Amino acid sequence: DAGITQSPRHKVTETGTPVTLRCHQTENHRYMYWYRQDPGHGLRLIHYSYGVKDTDKGEVSDGYSVSRSKTEDFLLTLESATSSQTSVYFCAIREGGGYGYTFGSGTRLTVV
Amino acid sequence: QQQVKQSPQSLIVQKGGISIINCAYENTAFDYFPWYQQFPGKGPALLIAIRPDVSEKKEGRFTISFNKSAKQFSLHIMDSQPGDSATYFCAAGGGGGNNRKLIWGLGTSLGVNP
Repeated sequence: DAGITQSPRHKVTETGTPVTLRCHQTENHRYMYWYRQDPGHGLRLIHYSYGVKDTDKGEVSDGYSVSRSKTEDFLLTLESATSSQTSVYFCAIREGGGYGYTFGSGTRLTVV
Repeated sequence: QQQVKQSPQSLIVQKGGISIINCAYENTAFDYFPWYQQFPGKGPALLIAIRPDVSEKKEGRFTISFNKSAKQFSLHIMDSQPGDSATYFCAAGGGGGNNRKLIWGLGTSLGVNP
């Protein structure tokens, strides 16, 4: 899928622990996005990045932080995981100057 | 909060029938309207998109109809097949800026009976 890989694919973690999800791209695209997908809520933007060390908040950023030290990697960290953060997390890259997003295959995170 | 309202939430059609999913938006600054298709266990994938300077765009069995005055757009799937069973999301983007954020509908789960 256009060189975008998410890891891990599945993770179960305990409440209160920090968790980091990784998005890796091989396309050298400038823009990267983190979404969460929940039934009844569709896709909600958590954070996005428009370059190395340039990030901004989305609509559901509380409890999440991101980092982008290299063009190819965009990390999403749940600082102290809660059950409400149980979700499927998708990373997306934007190709070119338009709006075409390419999504990764997702990470299913369960917080117990 | 800018919104894109999508309906129906779920839809079942017979093989060979026409599937129609509708979306309505509020912000007249939007200038890009894509539809994404998502299969279980996969990320959404761009299916087809339209700009507001045209009223219709067709790609194979998939057609977007766009009504600028009504601020509505719809996806039509002709000759629906069981392989079209998936969740479909509409979205809208635009209004300037470089972040190219999309505003998403909540999705429609489509089932096509064989």
